[in-house]
Amino acid sequence: EVQLVESGGGLVQPGGSLRLSCAASGFTFSSYSMNWVRQAPGKGLEWVSYISSSSFTISYTDSVKGRFTISRDNAKKSLDLQMNSLRDEDTAVYYCARVFFSGAPLYFDYWGQGILVTVSS
Amino acid sequence: SYVLTQPPSLSVAPGKTAIIACGGNNIGGKSVHWYQQRPGQAPVLVIYSDTDRPSGIPERFSGSNSGNTATLTISRVEAGDEADYYCQVWNSRSDPSCVFGPGTQVTVL
Repeated sequence: EVQLVESGGGLVQPGGSLRLSCAASGFTFSSYSMNWVRQAPGKGLEWVSYISSSSFTISYTDSVKGRFTISRDNAKKSLDLQMNSLRDEDTAVYYCARVFFSGAPLYFDYWGQGILVTVSS
Repeated sequence: SYVLTQPPSLSVAPGKTAIIACGGNNIGGKSVHWYQQRPGQAPVLVIYSDTDRPSGIPERFSGSNSGNTATLTISRVEAGDEADYYCQVWNSRSDPSCVFGPGTQVTVL
């Protein structure tokens, strides 16, 4: 059974940092591209970042470029998101999501349960 | 950047058909995927690659995509279909950028 379990969320002050992790199990982690998707309270889904299976290709949504860093450790089957210079508008539930890839990333077939990040003074 | 549009809300009576539109410039040239999200839960894939249904998703869910509009159709709507629905595409192969629609809240009367 595929499982994605996020950890590392919590309350942080504006300008602070937080590191999210996603532990994967039930599939060959090193064969899949992974993503972070977030959802602000009462709002829609927003894609945050993508990392290919080998970490060769990485991309971010414009609002987090230069502040967030996605990484992965295929040996440990883990995905991370280092979030620096956090802003109020980064408050959201953050989901780790596996993406099915066929020549290009396509759809998110498995999602974690989500972890809440609250940026507030 | 690529923008997707969806109606904010849709109300439908049980047993009737709900049709949710997702608009985008030449979206027919892209592969569109749909997610259902119930309150407090993670999204669930209900349609992928325009028309395909993952295992476990009822046949009542179907999709189409042409021109500037993709649609998710829910036939014989049930109370359990009440949820938010999001369309999603990828905007670039070389520098992957994913776009979600703003979501449609489906209410079963």
